[in-house]
Amino acid sequence: DQQVKQNSPSLSVQEGRISILNCDYTNSMFDYFLWYKKYPAEGPTFLISISSIKDKNEDGRFTVFLNKSAKHLSLHIVPSQPGDSAVYFCAASENGGSQGNLIFGKGTKLSVKP
Amino acid sequence: NAGVTQTPKFQVLKTGQSMTLQCAQDMNHEYMSWYRQDPGMGLRLIHYSVGAGITDQGEVPNGYNVSRSTTEDFPLRLLSAAPSQTSVYFCASSYGAEETQYFGPGTRLLVL
Repeated sequence: DQQVKQNSPSLSVQEGRISILNCDYTNSMFDYFLWYKKYPAEGPTFLISISSIKDKNEDGRFTVFLNKSAKHLSLHIVPSQPGDSAVYFCAASENGGSQGNLIFGKGTKLSVKP
Repeated sequence: NAGVTQTPKFQVLKTGQSMTLQCAQDMNHEYMSWYRQDPGMGLRLIHYSVGAGITDQGEVPNGYNVSRSTTEDFPLRLLSAAPSQTSVYFCASSYGAEETQYFGPGTRLLVL
């Protein structure tokens, strides 16, 4: 039973437009959420995170929104750039920020077309 | 500063063979972990270590052994490889369990 779900395996967006990647979770004990970005043949790299005490966190072009009642979070990228083309993983933890036992979603492949 | 390094990049094994996947970091991180990623799946935690001499199991530990004799190194051992262990393996490290994890480039393992 998947605790972290990314239901869209892929997403295609035009350069300059907004990319919205979605993630749902089932475990109400999760209190820390992260997004990782992964290019082919490389390891994942940390992008942005959010604690369950917040509903929004922003870092440059990247914003993560958390809706605890819906058990849903989303990553917004504005404006999207071709270099953003990668697989994006949503991950969650129930250890108050501890990333020791992260549960990952299956990933969404984002393609940003020039 | 090399970050997190993993060797080998790619390995083919026959069923029943053993091997060790190497992971090293030069950032003086206390926390290290091993994940596997299968096609169409997210990363799953195999084993982790909060410091030298301390290891613990993650979500999918069966068939794998780890040890942490130094802060820098965290090898993953497959004692008797099985086709189900065909995967891409990622090592990660961080200053502490609540800090950002840095991932290595991965080892692609094929078990025939």
